[in-house]
Amino acid sequence: QLVLTQSPSASASLGASVKLTCTLSSGHSAYAVAWHQQQPEKGPRYLMKLNNDGSHTKGDGIPDRFSGSSSGAERYLTISSLQSEDEADYYCQTWGTGTIVFGGGTKVTVL
Amino acid sequence: EVQLLESGGGWVQPGGSLRLSCAASGFTASTYAMSWVRQAPGEGLEWLSSISASWGSSDYANSVKGRFTMSRDYSKNTLYLQMNSLRAEDTAVYYCAKGPSGGWSYIDYWGQGILVTVSS
Repeated sequence: QLVLTQSPSASASLGASVKLTCTLSSGHSAYAVAWHQQQPEKGPRYLMKLNNDGSHTKGDGIPDRFSGSSSGAERYLTISSLQSEDEADYYCQTWGTGTIVFGGGTKVTVL
Repeated sequence: EVQLLESGGGWVQPGGSLRLSCAASGFTASTYAMSWVRQAPGEGLEWLSSISASWGSSDYANSVKGRFTMSRDYSKNTLYLQMNSLRAEDTAVYYCAKGPSGGWSYIDYWGQGILVTVSS
């Protein structure tokens, strides 16, 4: 079964970096994922598609502070130079034949 | 500029029906896979259904299979979600979403969402 696992929360200081992890279920380590940001009281926003080789395609207007990387079944989203507006929920998403799957989301707090 | 504008939400009693619309602009919706995703209050994102491009095949999450139907009107560049036999647990913000190609893939654009409340 295709499942994505994310830690519920993460925090870092203003100006620091934070690295979020999304883990693909067993047997699905080659899958690409997409990362989405949801700021409080807003709809989600596409950040990037991240392939298993670490290459990624960002959405329109996404700052260079957002980057992605991969290792095995893990897909990472790193936010550098954290700003107050980065405080949000971050979801990873993947897909298979006839289905789309979301991780449970990680709430990022900027200290 | 790609835009997705949902409408048709509101309050409905349990067992009732509602049809959501998603008006697409800035692109031709029939050439892309489109999806509906919802978010219950305080919860995460839940995929509901997707429809592929030219061949129009669709699939649904088990939670809505047999109750919800996704369709599109090519002439109006609009997507629909017909929701029947609604339950309290269907209360959520519903998002229309676009994929980057005609087949199953990730989401690269989201609508702003529309609230559906199912309550007596």
